[in-house]
Amino acid sequence: GAVVSQHPSRVICKSGTSVKIECRSLDFQATTMFWYRQFPKQSLMLMATSNEGSKATYEQGVEKDKFLINHASLTLSTLTVTSAHPEDSSFYICSARSGGKVNEQFFGPGTRLTVL
Amino acid sequence: KQEVTQIPAALSVPEGENLVLNCSFTDSAIYNLQWFRQDPGKGLTSLLLIQSSQREQTSGRLNASLDKSSGRSTLYIAASQPGDSATYLCAVRPNQAGTALIFGKGTTLSVSS
Repeated sequence: GAVVSQHPSRVICKSGTSVKIECRSLDFQATTMFWYRQFPKQSLMLMATSNEGSKATYEQGVEKDKFLINHASLTLSTLTVTSAHPEDSSFYICSARSGGKVNEQFFGPGTRLTVL
Repeated sequence: KQEVTQIPAALSVPEGENLVLNCSFTDSAIYNLQWFRQDPGKGLTSLLLIQSSQREQTSGRLNASLDKSSGRSTLYIAASQPGDSATYLCAVRPNQAGTALIFGKGTTLSVSS
């Protein structure tokens, strides 16, 4: 299957700092990228959907000013957690979908964010 | 709004047993359904993807079925092994263009040797 990478895989930061997570589709062009969040022992919850060159669409309850998403190209999307707080500590997983025939959604390996 | 439910939430079996994991969804208007495996602290591994027009998919010891009209899917694991221990997630893709996969809460499987 197609490959999606995330960087960093793990980040620890102090409360109040901003953290940027990168998501790249390595071998295909992703017309749509999705960002999910997963708290311990919970399932993946969709945070936002972004299409290249357009503003992201956020799910209800997700603050767009806190979780900034930039889908600058067909292979790169970034999620910036601004002024992170301990309650933002979570596992963030990006996903990318091409516009091909199968149109499968491929997932990155995730980023573990810990805010002290 | 589409909701995905997985039963049971946890399952413990001895090695060698065949087992079935269940997934149900509330809206039958789906594009496809996918089963994933997630090891603790790790990302997702796609196991099987079933298009809405298909009834089942098989990969090795895994077989997934889909009954779209009743809103159900099952993941059958034959001859379970300790290495199968993980959380299994079911996800559906709604039929609307551009929508993301919606996940169930998963079934955590433990296979003892």
